Amino acid sequence: SQQGEEDPQALSIQEGENATMNCSYKTSINNLQWYRQNSGRGLVHLILIRSNEREKHSGRLRVTLDTSKKSSSLLITASRAADTASYFCATVFRRGAQKLVFGQGTRLTINP
Amino acid sequence: GAVVSQHPSRVICKSGTSVKIECRSLDFQATTMFWYRQFPKKSLMLMATSNEGSKATYEQGVEKDKFLINHASLTLSTLTVTSAHPEDSSFYICSAREGLDYEQFFGPGTRLTVL
Repeated sequence: SQQGEEDPQALSIQEGENATMNCSYKTSINNLQWYRQNSGRGLVHLILIRSNEREKHSGRLRVTLDTSKKSSSLLITASRAADTASYFCATVFRRGAQKLVFGQGTRLTINP
Repeated sequence: GAVVSQHPSRVICKSGTSVKIECRSLDFQATTMFWYRQFPKKSLMLMATSNEGSKATYEQGVEKDKFLINHASLTLSTLTVTSAHPEDSSFYICSAREGLDYEQFFGPGTRLTVL
């Protein structure tokens, strides 16, 4: 399967703590993207990291990419209750139709 | 970021009828649009990729005669669920991108319920 795998599948932490989610994939990628989805809603694009990049920041978000291990992580610092959502990584593979393939997602719950 | 809209946001139909869902890129020209399906508490599964002016490319296991996709212009793609059945009930999400290596922007989704 080309789909990425994310862990953990579910994560529950206290407000103010940091949340780390991981994503692994199997074949060479062009880029990897992280999305957020609130329950029953559309997806919000968070960060795109290209295969030649190792780390990217956006506000309280930090994404790393290790192409040698075929893995990425999303760190949310100083979490807030409003960060409660599902987070998905998605990869665009180097070969093929350049389509975005989603991982299974991590359900993050921030407890106030 | 760029805006992608979907219409309708929610539709309920009777079994056997056809339903059309529209996906529009509002402030950019989308050379490629994608249609996904999402079951409750599950990830998005790509159904098909459509490029403007050409036939859609369907993923394995997706019936092209059941899920008709048209990408008639650089800002509009439609998904028609033909002869809908209760098992077609799902959350359908479209996305669009301007070109390769561009960000992919997602619509808000359409919740289809087939009675």
